[in-house]
Amino acid sequence: AQSVSQHNHHVILSEAASLELGCNYSYGGTVNLFWYVQYPGQHLQLLLKYFSGDPLVKGIKGFEAEFIKSKFSFNLRKPSVQWSDTAEYFCAVDGSGNTGKLIFGQGTTLQVKP
Amino acid sequence: GAVVSQHPSWVICKSGTSVKIECRSLDFQATTMFWYRQFPKQSLMLMATSNEGSKATYEQGVEKDKFLINHASLTLSTLTVTSAHPEDSSFYICSARGQGNSPLHFGNGTRLTVT
Repeated sequence: AQSVSQHNHHVILSEAASLELGCNYSYGGTVNLFWYVQYPGQHLQLLLKYFSGDPLVKGIKGFEAEFIKSKFSFNLRKPSVQWSDTAEYFCAVDGSGNTGKLIFGQGTTLQVKP
Repeated sequence: GAVVSQHPSWVICKSGTSVKIECRSLDFQATTMFWYRQFPKQSLMLMATSNEGSKATYEQGVEKDKFLINHASLTLSTLTVTSAHPEDSSFYICSARGQGNSPLHFGNGTRLTVT
């Protein structure tokens, strides 16, 4: 069965620090990969996605992620976080041919201290 | 932009009663909707896939008679938790997409507490 693992459950950073959130998935076939963010009290929003092509994907708000097929990883990065990045981050995989059926990781809570 | 509205945002009900949660696409036709459940500090777990005009497809382990899903129109899907029990207390989230490779949009979720 497909699964998604996010290694960091709770990350605390100071403003301007660099961020990397790990995401690994287990699925042998073609996958579409996503990172979503959920700000307090709000709905899930798409940060970025990878379907094919350049494995380094740039998203909104300065986030990027790199798909490394050999490592089954799709880590999220941001060079310099801001207080407003405080949120819950979810990695998700669609291994069903872009049907929209997503398998989510358990989420990482990011707390950025001003 | 596309918006998915969930209602109610939170609900408290007594054990044994049924609760209906609505998921509406406000400015697009949602041919497919998905229902997820999220326990505190855990991941979103897909419960079922709902296609307009047809029966929902449930994930393994999800009781279809307990979690009734109806997708009668292109803008509305409902999830009814029947004979609710305290262990059904959770955060329920829907997502919706239009035809083809349309992007997926999520609702704000519904917090259900069963007392």
